[in-house]
Amino acid sequence: DQQVKQNSPSLSVQEGRISILNCDYTNSMFDYFLWYKKYPAEGPTFLISISSIKDKNEDGRFTVFLNKSAKHLSLHIVPSQPGDSAVYFCAASQSEKLVFGKGTKLTVNP
Amino acid sequence: NAGVMQNPRHLVRRRGQEARLRCSPMKGHSHVYWYRQLPEEGLKFMVYLQKENIIDESGMPKERFSAEFPKEGPSILRIQQVVRGDSAAYFCASSPRRGGTDTQYFGPGTRLTVL
Repeated sequence: DQQVKQNSPSLSVQEGRISILNCDYTNSMFDYFLWYKKYPAEGPTFLISISSIKDKNEDGRFTVFLNKSAKHLSLHIVPSQPGDSAVYFCAASQSEKLVFGKGTKLTVNP
Repeated sequence: NAGVMQNPRHLVRRRGQEARLRCSPMKGHSHVYWYRQLPEEGLKFMVYLQKENIIDESGMPKERFSAEFPKEGPSILRIQQVVRGDSAAYFCASSPRRGGTDTQYFGPGTRLTVL
């Protein structure tokens, strides 16, 4: 029973365009949401987060949107750069632990 | 300011052997989390420890797996009598405080291969 779902295993965009990665969750008790970026053979790197009491958080090229009624969040990267190519994991905070989605592999083509 | 360190980075064991994975948290962090990533899957929580205490082990298999975080030294994840299904990447994360609002910083992982 997956509580955090990333339904798109992969996404391909052109350099300079917007990348939109989506995430759905089922547990309304999650109080914090995070996005991590992961390169092969490395650990996840924290990217951006959002509290459940907010609907938007922005950090440079990265913006996370939260729609609590739909139990949906998304990560927008604009403009996308080739260096953004990686696997992106959505995670939700439940007590002391993070619950991860399966990830979306983003490829940004030059 | 070193990040989270894990060793070894790669570990090969034969079925029935023991695997010991080490994690040194970031300086100033006293909260350690272990996650496992099976191929094509997301990371799955295993255990949360503070110094000398196991806080939440709800994700740990009931048998063969144990974890500790002693007063001195790294946190250890121990897998006894490994089986092929234990082959995975094991990630450790650390945090300065308790609570999900603080970011967990991940180490590079240990890739365990069971032959």
